[in-house]
Amino acid sequence: KNEVEQSPQNLTAQEGEFITINCSYSVGISALHWLQQHPGGGIVSLFMLSSGKKKHGRLIATINIQEKHSSLHITASHPRDSAVYICAVRSYIIQGAQKLVFGQGTRLTINP
Amino acid sequence: GAGVSQSPSNKVTEKGKDVELRCDPISGHTALYWYRQSLGQGLEFLIYFQGNSAPDKSGLPSDRFSAERTGGSVSTLTIQRTQQEDSAVYLCASSPVTTDTQYFGPGTRLTVL
Repeated sequence: KNEVEQSPQNLTAQEGEFITINCSYSVGISALHWLQQHPGGGIVSLFMLSSGKKKHGRLIATINIQEKHSSLHITASHPRDSAVYICAVRSYIIQGAQKLVFGQGTRLTINP
Repeated sequence: GAGVSQSPSNKVTEKGKDVELRCDPISGHTALYWYRQSLGQGLEFLIYFQGNSAPDKSGLPSDRFSAERTGGSVSTLTIQRTQQEDSAVYLCASSPVTTDTQYFGPGTRLTVL
């Protein structure tokens, strides 16, 4: 079983829909990252959080440490949001605590 | 300011050759990370540096892989005797300290024929 699991693996929606991508992890963590990778390959860090909720524009990230679960929400989705969204955790239990362990990513496609 | 840069952007090599990949982190960033992303696969941690030292080498796939960082800045990832399974995009990221947001470079696409 992967230490970081994302769902769904693929998501297609219409422009304007509310999007939720989920991330569950099985180890204790010091931080969780949400990353965005566009088709060209570049990776951008969207959020780093260790508790609660963060908001940036139309993006909201939440984390529940007790349940070992995080969600990334996109409000009023737009075709330019189409990308792969990757959850990654920095764990203090996995050997080498300063590395990130990545989920497999969620491929999001927003149709006009 | 300038972001993380990597060179070359693309590298095609023959099986058995050695390759060197370079990463220029954001100025002042003390932490530097190498990852790779194989075709259709997720991201995989390789190694990280805090300053010039690499406290965690657990992600290097084999002894053909090595990395160094000099002057707390530029890092090179060297792959000796490349194999076809080494074909991947190699990504570098840096952060001010290890607990901060990481900034990713554009990657080097390595193809081993």
